[in-house]
Amino acid sequence: AQSVTQLDSHVSVSEGTPVLLRCNYSSSYSPSLFWYVQHPNKGLQLLLKYTSAATLVKGINGFEAEFKKSETSFHLTKPSAHMSDAAEYFCVVSPMNRDDKIIFGKGTRLHILP
Amino acid sequence: GAGVSQSPSNKVTEKGKDVELRCDPISGHTALYWYRQSLGQGLEFLIYFQGNSAPDKSGLPSDRFSAERTGGSVSTLTIQRTQQEDSAVYLCASSPPGREGREQFFGPGTRLTVL
Repeated sequence: AQSVTQLDSHVSVSEGTPVLLRCNYSSSYSPSLFWYVQHPNKGLQLLLKYTSAATLVKGINGFEAEFKKSETSFHLTKPSAHMSDAAEYFCVVSPMNRDDKIIFGKGTRLHILP
Repeated sequence: GAGVSQSPSNKVTEKGKDVELRCDPISGHTALYWYRQSLGQGLEFLIYFQGNSAPDKSGLPSDRFSAERTGGSVSTLTIQRTQQEDSAVYLCASSPPGREGREQFFGPGTRLTVL
């Protein structure tokens, strides 16, 4: 069975400081992992994805995530937050078995303080 | 190419009425998902179609909710006897076949308001 846990429902950081959004997963197989972003009143947008290639994945808008199998984690980071990063972020696990559904985390709302 | 489309974009209905929401996935995508997102909340999984397999209906909140997917393409989500708590944005997503990297492509959603 697959599962994904986003450890923080809300994260607040000051503009210009680093961002860390935590995600842990559980999977019987080596999954594909994704981060999606949803800005207020906007649709969901793919931020980045991991598919068993390089463990450090770079995405759009300066975000990156590192797949750590030993820790079953896929945390999202950005060196310096910008006001436009304020949004909801979702960690997603996509199992290798295509009959298993893709699973969304409950989301982390990122607040950027001026 | 064309993305996932949903119609209508907005639907206002009266409590007790039935509504149908439509999703046109990306051509060739074998998997189709319906989610519900209430105001300020995360995504709530509703139902999952994969090819010709029996759908995973485990997320449907009550028997008032049903969905079908005709010909492995277009899907319709039906809500019978709508209640005010059904008000939400209903999102559809599709994903391509294959074992790796099955990212989801989302439609713009249908905003349902039940008065």
